[in-house]
Amino acid sequence: DAGVTQSPTHLIKTRGQHVTLRCSPISGHKSVSWYQQVLGQGPQFIFQYYEKEERGRGNFPDRFSARQFPNYSSELNVNALLLGDSALYLCASRSGTGGVGGNEKLFFGSGTQLSVL
Amino acid sequence: QQQVKQSPQSLIVQKGGISIINCAYENTAFDYFPWYQQFPGKGPALLIAIRPDVSEKKEGRFTISFNKSAKQFSLHIMDSQPGDSATYFCAASTSSNTGKLIFGQGTTLQVKP
Repeated sequence: DAGVTQSPTHLIKTRGQHVTLRCSPISGHKSVSWYQQVLGQGPQFIFQYYEKEERGRGNFPDRFSARQFPNYSSELNVNALLLGDSALYLCASRSGTGGVGGNEKLFFGSGTQLSVL
Repeated sequence: QQQVKQSPQSLIVQKGGISIINCAYENTAFDYFPWYQQFPGKGPALLIAIRPDVSEKKEGRFTISFNKSAKQFSLHIMDSQPGDSATYFCAASTSSNTGKLIFGQGTTLQVKP
């Protein structure tokens, strides 16, 4: 079975541009989360979506937005790129049905490496 | 109160030795504690996870020890192998929302042959 797939794998943009990153969750998974991982640090939570609704947002500016589609795939959009947005952007999925006490393992894709010049 | 602090930042262990990585959390609402392994150019992969109703969980060579009163948990890698060389992250969340993980800063492990 395919894992979490992300595209593109690498991307180079210049300051001020806009970028769209895409994610396909594991088949059957309804919940998608986005994380930003700056080199040498742990991933930081950006967004979580479940059944196409935003279910959580981390401490990121409004330049960051996301959405989830009826097939549970997701897009992360970043506007007005800054040099500091250079990072590995990770998408993760889980089934979303476990709830309290459930086995809600979170599976990550390999990420999109974004470089802002 | 949302932080998870991880130590050491880097670790060098001889093949066959025991690797120990420690984490501490502040938010008492956290009740799900996974460990992830990450190789260069790859996303984090779930190794093992624990909930606070048990003090220890073992899967193969990997063991999590959990101390609820101290708000600390640790990963032990027994019989460490060169293939274990990677970056390890602890994380925490509430069990009702494991999609929102708070990660530690990471530990780079090098296992020497």
